[in-house]
Amino acid sequence: SQTIHQWPATLVQPVGSPLSLECTVEGTSNPNLYWYRQAAGRGLQLLFYSVGIGQISSEVPQNLSASRPQDRQFILSSKKLLLSDSGFYLCAWSGLGLATGELFFGEGSRLTVL
Amino acid sequence: AQKITQTQPGMFVQEKEAVTLDCTYDTSDPSYGLFWYKQPSSGEMIFLIYQGSYDQQNATEGRYSLNFQKARKSANLVISASQLGDSAMYFCAMREGFGNNDMRFGAGTRLTVKP
Repeated sequence: SQTIHQWPATLVQPVGSPLSLECTVEGTSNPNLYWYRQAAGRGLQLLFYSVGIGQISSEVPQNLSASRPQDRQFILSSKKLLLSDSGFYLCAWSGLGLATGELFFGEGSRLTVL
Repeated sequence: AQKITQTQPGMFVQEKEAVTLDCTYDTSDPSYGLFWYKQPSSGEMIFLIYQGSYDQQNATEGRYSLNFQKARKSANLVISASQLGDSAMYFCAMREGFGNNDMRFGAGTRLTVKP
């Protein structure tokens, strides 16, 4: 069966520090991968999605970046965090061939920038 | 432009009663999929139900059903026999086209089930 994990679960970082959130998917190949951000009490904002290794589509211009060094690994990064980067970050995957195309989400990473 | 609209920031329902959560969408693509997700306080996103644009019948999954009105571009979630564990945020989402394009979410509705 397929599983998705992201880490760390909780992160408290000072403004200006770097960020690295990792996400891995097991049990499937060539998944589409996504990073979403959810501000407190708000909906999900699509940040990046990837249809293959090295292929990243950015939805929102910001100081965040994403990389996909391996087929089932998706990394969200920042060189210098801003206060506005605080939020709940969710990684998700969807698979080719799934008739419905629903997303399967990781456990989430809660980032607080102080 | 906003593609998914959920106009109810919060809803209350008495335990064992039914509740409808509203969702309207906007697309010019004839092929699309509509989804509902539940997010408990733990933060995880749980997939509930799916409706394809070409589906002739409304989707149902246990106590969840989707009231799909294509002409009105609405895809309301109906939860029957509400339980205390149904208290959560509920998100409507849409994926346009075939394949695995990006999925867009509404702002969500917070449902509170009262005992």
